[in-house]
Amino acid sequence: TQLLEQSPQFLSIQEGENLTVYCNSSSVFSSLQWYRQEPGEGPVLLVTVVTGGEVKKLKRLTFQFGDARKDSSLHITAAQPGDTGLYLCAGPYASGGSYIPTFGRGTSLIVHP
Amino acid sequence: DSGVTQTPKHLITATGQRVTLRCSPRSGDLSVYWYQQSLDQGLQFLIQYYNGEERAKGNILERFSAQQFPDLHSELNLSSLELGDSALYFCASSLTGTSVTYEQYFGPGTRLTVT
Repeated sequence: TQLLEQSPQFLSIQEGENLTVYCNSSSVFSSLQWYRQEPGEGPVLLVTVVTGGEVKKLKRLTFQFGDARKDSSLHITAAQPGDTGLYLCAGPYASGGSYIPTFGRGTSLIVHP
Repeated sequence: DSGVTQTPKHLITATGQRVTLRCSPRSGDLSVYWYQQSLDQGLQFLIQYYNGEERAKGNILERFSAQQFPDLHSELNLSSLELGDSALYFCASSLTGTSVTYEQYFGPGTRLTVT
């Protein structure tokens, strides 16, 4: 069972379309991070959200942390081919006195020109 | 460029062999994390070291071990390799090991192929 469930698993859209991807958990997280990974490369940190209800914007990307800090969403406006990649959400899961970095399986996004 | 370096980039070896993967964290970062990424399992946390000491352990096999040296670089040792160990292995670093924001910076990875 995945602690962080991401949906959809795959998304194929045309340039200029808007999209939203989701990251959900039954557990409360003190923070969530979003990363983008391109094939054969390491994930790149996009943003960290910490406060319930927080909204952060990074150019055409809007990130939201749920009020209960159990879910997050990433909205992309007017998607471009350069947005293509695997979007991963991650957070520190408290277990046995330490924090375990936990990643979702990701949403694979393809933006066609 | 994240500032995290990993060597080698590619590694091809046979079953039963032992390999060592190396990672240098970003300048100033004290924590190093190791991950395994395969198509069917996604990004799986293996182990974390903070300033030379083991801080957290994930789904790391007994055949795998790691350490962090005084200069903060880290090595992941994989032994008695099996075909199923073929994967991308990533190292990441962060400034601290206790921050709940857990922002990590990933290296380019080592692609391990076991034949």
